[in-house]
Amino acid sequence: NAGVTQTPKFQVLKTGQSMTLQCAQDMNHEYMSWYRQDPGMGLRLIHYSVGAGITDQGEVPNGYNVSRSTTEDFPLRLLSAAPSQTSVYFCASSSAASGNTGELFFGEGSRLTVL
Amino acid sequence: SQQGEEDPQALSIQEGENATMNCSYKTSINNLQWYRQNSGRGLVHLILIRSNEREKHSGRLRVTLDTSKKSSSLLITASRAADTASYFCAGIKAAGNKLTFGGGTRVLVKP
Repeated sequence: NAGVTQTPKFQVLKTGQSMTLQCAQDMNHEYMSWYRQDPGMGLRLIHYSVGAGITDQGEVPNGYNVSRSTTEDFPLRLLSAAPSQTSVYFCASSSAASGNTGELFFGEGSRLTVL
Repeated sequence: SQQGEEDPQALSIQEGENATMNCSYKTSINNLQWYRQNSGRGLVHLILIRSNEREKHSGRLRVTLDTSKKSSSLLITASRAADTASYFCAGIKAAGNKLTFGGGTRVLVKP
């Protein structure tokens, strides 16, 4: 099983450039989310989705957009990259919908550097 | 804001010893989960304990939950070098659907 697949694994951007981090899961999970991980700060929730067509903000949504047109895919868009968005990004999915999120399955991460 | 705060931030032990780490959280939770992250990899779910449970076991892992103190502990017994990783607690608020992580405990198990 592929599980949660993130691409690209590494990316270097210049300030002001845009890009999309891709996330796909093949487990038919309703719940998907994006986190960023910075040294010493654990993981912070950026955006999440409880099903196709439904998205909501997490703790640190500014500078990021998401959409959920299918159950499988949950791309994260950076419209105008800033150095503060240098981080490791993780996509995660769960079989539980709202109210009682269960075990999260994580991708391997996408390491983004903004110069 | 982080739902969980782990203590200690780092832990170094010898193989065969037990490793204990604690997690405190701020608001009432529906469940609390523990995850492991090996260097450069994604997080892997270890165990979930619900708010109406006090203790749970899974192999060499033992998790406790004290909702009155808003705290949880993770015990790894008979540690192995392969247990070297960062461990995170994560809580979900009652009637919520956001899993919020703490800063993690880095565990080094020396052979």
